Amino acid sequence: DQQVKQNSPSLSVQEGRISILNCDYTNSMFDYFLWYKKYPAEGPTFLISISSIKDKNEDGRFTVFLNKSAKHLSLHIVPSQPGDSAVYFCAATEYGNKLVFGAGTILRVKS
Amino acid sequence: DAGVIQSPRHEVTEMGQEVTLRCKPISGHNSLFWYRQTMMRGLELLIYFNNNVPIDDSGMPEDRFSAKMPNASFSTLKIQPSEPRDSAVYFCASSSRLAGGPKSTGELFFGEGSRLTVL
Repeated sequence: DQQVKQNSPSLSVQEGRISILNCDYTNSMFDYFLWYKKYPAEGPTFLISISSIKDKNEDGRFTVFLNKSAKHLSLHIVPSQPGDSAVYFCAATEYGNKLVFGAGTILRVKS
Repeated sequence: DAGVIQSPRHEVTEMGQEVTLRCKPISGHNSLFWYRQTMMRGLELLIYFNNNVPIDDSGMPEDRFSAKMPNASFSTLKIQPSEPRDSAVYFCASSSRLAGGPKSTGELFFGEGSRLTVL
């Protein structure tokens, strides 16, 4: 019973274009959502987050959008760079308790 | 500042052997998490501790898995006996969530992981 789902195992994008990574969740009690980025042979690192009281949070080239009614969030990377190639994990938490992760999406940015 | 430190980075063992993975969290962090990463299931939470006390071990797959946190600066994850299906990367993470305190954002800091191969 996966509460956080990333249905696209991989995504390939041309350098300079927009990358859109999607995530769906089932638990309506989740109140905070995070994106983590992972390079090979390294641990995941925090990228950007959003509270359930907001619908958008922006940090440089990265923007996260939250649609609570659809239980959907997305991460936009504009413009995409080759160094953005990594595995991206969506995660959610309820009242700061354990983080529940999705299965991850492999992003490849082609130069 | 030192991050989360895990050892060993790589472990190759034979089925039936005992495996012990170690973790040193970031100093001052009072929550510690063990995750397992597999291709099929992504990052799965196995167990987490708050102030050295296990809070939720519902993700521990079987009785063969056990975890301890004897003090604030050390935790172990043990598999005995190990099986080939236990092969995965095991991550330890810590956070500064305060028990009973203000609501946390849940941000975790991960170690580099321990890659386990059981033959």
